Amino acid sequence: GNSVTQMEGPVTLSEEAFLTINCTYTATGYPSLFWYVQYPGEGLQLLLKATKADDKGSNKGFEATYRKETTSFHLEKGSVQVSDSAVYFCALSLRYSSASKIIFGSGTRLSIRP
Amino acid sequence: DAGVIQSPRHEVTEMGQEVTLRCKPISGHDYLFWYRQTMMRGLELLIYFNNNVPIDDSGMPEDRFSAKMPNASFSTLKIQPSEPRDSAVYFCASSPGTVGYYEQYFGPGTRLTVT
Repeated sequence: GNSVTQMEGPVTLSEEAFLTINCTYTATGYPSLFWYVQYPGEGLQLLLKATKADDKGSNKGFEATYRKETTSFHLEKGSVQVSDSAVYFCALSLRYSSASKIIFGSGTRLSIRP
Repeated sequence: DAGVIQSPRHEVTEMGQEVTLRCKPISGHDYLFWYRQTMMRGLELLIYFNNNVPIDDSGMPEDRFSAKMPNASFSTLKIQPSEPRDSAVYFCASSPGTVGYYEQYFGPGTRLTVT
């Protein structure tokens, strides 16, 4: 089946620290991969995406590279800020499937200390 | 663009009452999704529509839940009768095309509390 596994939180870092949130996937077809972010009291919003192997998605200083050989899409940021505190969801969808659904991971809560 | 609009933002009701949640998707988006989010179960897809037609309702927990999309600009999720275990944040999302290529745009959510 199709699934997403991401590291459990919460993750607590100091401001300006390096961030990695691990994400691995299982997919039967050709997945597109996403990172969504949910700030407190809000809905999810797309942070970045990659639609094929070796693509790198980037936005707001965050990056993730689609690694087909390791079935991974780890989220990284070189220097986190307090405003990055949120819940981060890794997700996949299948590009050639009749089922137009996104499969979300369980989410990783990130807290940044000033 | 106003984004996805949901109402009400908060709903508190007593067990056994009917609850109706409302959603207005972004204009021009062909897909509409209803999700439920709880601490225990995370984010769950309940149902999604394409061009106002329900495509997959396998996530609807039981017959007490129903969803409709009478036109391209409006959808409802109804719970009748409501139970305390239905307490959650319910999100509506829309997408301009198949999610293999397009992102989903989420509304702010409705926080439902059933006492």
